Order: sequence, then structure tokens, then C-alpha cells
Amino acid sequence: AQSVTQLGSHVSVSEGALVLLRCNYSSSVPPYLFWYVQYPNQGLQLLLKYTTGATLVKGINGFEAEFKKSETSFHLTKPSAHLSDAAESFCAVRALTGGGNKLTFGTGTQLKVEL
Amino acid sequence: EPEVTQTPSHQVTQMGQEVILRCVPISNHLYFYWYRQILGQKVEFLVSFYNNEISEKSEIFDDQFSVERPDGSNFTLKIRSTKLEDSAMYFCANNGDSSPMVGYTFGSGTRLTVV
Repeated sequence: AQSVTQLGSHVSVSEGALVLLRCNYSSSVPPYLFWYVQYPNQGLQLLLKYTTGATLVKGINGFEAEFKKSETSFHLTKPSAHLSDAAESFCAVRALTGGGNKLTFGTGTQLKVEL
Repeated sequence: EPEVTQTPSHQVTQMGQEVILRCVPISNHLYFYWYRQILGQKVEFLVSFYNNEISEKSEIFDDQFSVERPDGSNFTLKIRSTKLEDSAMYFCANNGDSSPMVGYTFGSGTRLTVV
């Protein structure tokens, strides 16, 4: 079984500041990790994913995340926040279970970007 | 970029009524999923579907829920007798590969309000 914990349901940063959204996972098998973003009144959009290989993965809109197995973490970062980054982001883990391959999501972190 | 289309975008229904949520998947992507997000809560897995049968379902997906591909293309979620607690955003998701390394494409969701 797998689970995801996102620390901080709300994060507020100033425009141009570093964005850090935290995600820790638990998985009994090698995990595949995802970050999805949900802009207001829209669906879930894939930001980035880690499957195998390089542990630092880059996604859309300047976001990146680093898989750290020793810390069971997959934190999402962006060097410089933009007003348009305001959204809710979800960390998710996926593992091959039977035939389903379901995603298990965290509770989400709402990012607010202020002038 | 290929899209998953969901209809309707909003639906209001009276408690006890049947609702059908519809999803048009990406052509030739044969793995289907439904997730839901109750307001303020995390995205939860409901069911996965492949080869005209359910691959996996969660505890939420009880006898009131059903899924099918009525015409071989659209993918539907039916709730037979809606309850107030069924009010949520329902997301259809789709991919073309059962590999857990592949991310889903989510639709923009149907907001169901049961009154």
C-alpha cells in the first residue's frame, strides 16, 4: 500500500521568491511519483513525474522536483514564483497493484503568490 | 495535445435521482479511471476499467456506482440513487498504457451537486 503526505495545506510566497511544496511518500515497492496542478475551475494537469533514472526531474512552467529515497521525499520547487503559479498542487504516488495502477494523492497544497 | 472531455461540466440533481457522468477519452487509450474530489478534500480513486471490465475499485465505489462504455468510445459513471455526500468534482482519467510510469490525462471534471 502507498500513501502521500503533503506538509502545509497552504503556502504563501512573494512574487519572485522560491517556491517549496513538500511531499513525503510511503510505498512498499519502488514508487512512481507525480505532481499535478489544479488551476481554479480546471482539471488536473501533470506538472512532472519521477519514474526511473535521474532523481531531479524538470516539469512544465519552471517547476522541478527531486526524488530522495533516503528521505522518502519528492518536494516540488520553483526558483522564482510568478503570480500565475497560484494553484493547488497535488503529489501522487503510483505502484503496480493488480491490474489497476491507481494513483494515491496527497491532500494538496494551495499556493498563493503575492505581489 | 490530446484531451479527455467530460460532460456536463456542472450538474445539480435531487437526492435519490440517478446521474450519468460522461467522458470522451483519448482515441486508442484504453485504460480508464474515475476519481472524485469532495470540496476541500483530496482526490480519491474510485475505479479503474480496462477491456470492458473493472480492474480495481475502492471502498467508495459501492453498489450505487457503475461504469461502462456503452458505445465503445464514451466512458460513463452512473450513480443510481444520489446522496448528499456524493456532491463532489468527478474526474475521468485515461491513458494508453498500463505501465505505472505513464501519467494519466485527466478531464476537466464534472461538478456534481446533490440537493
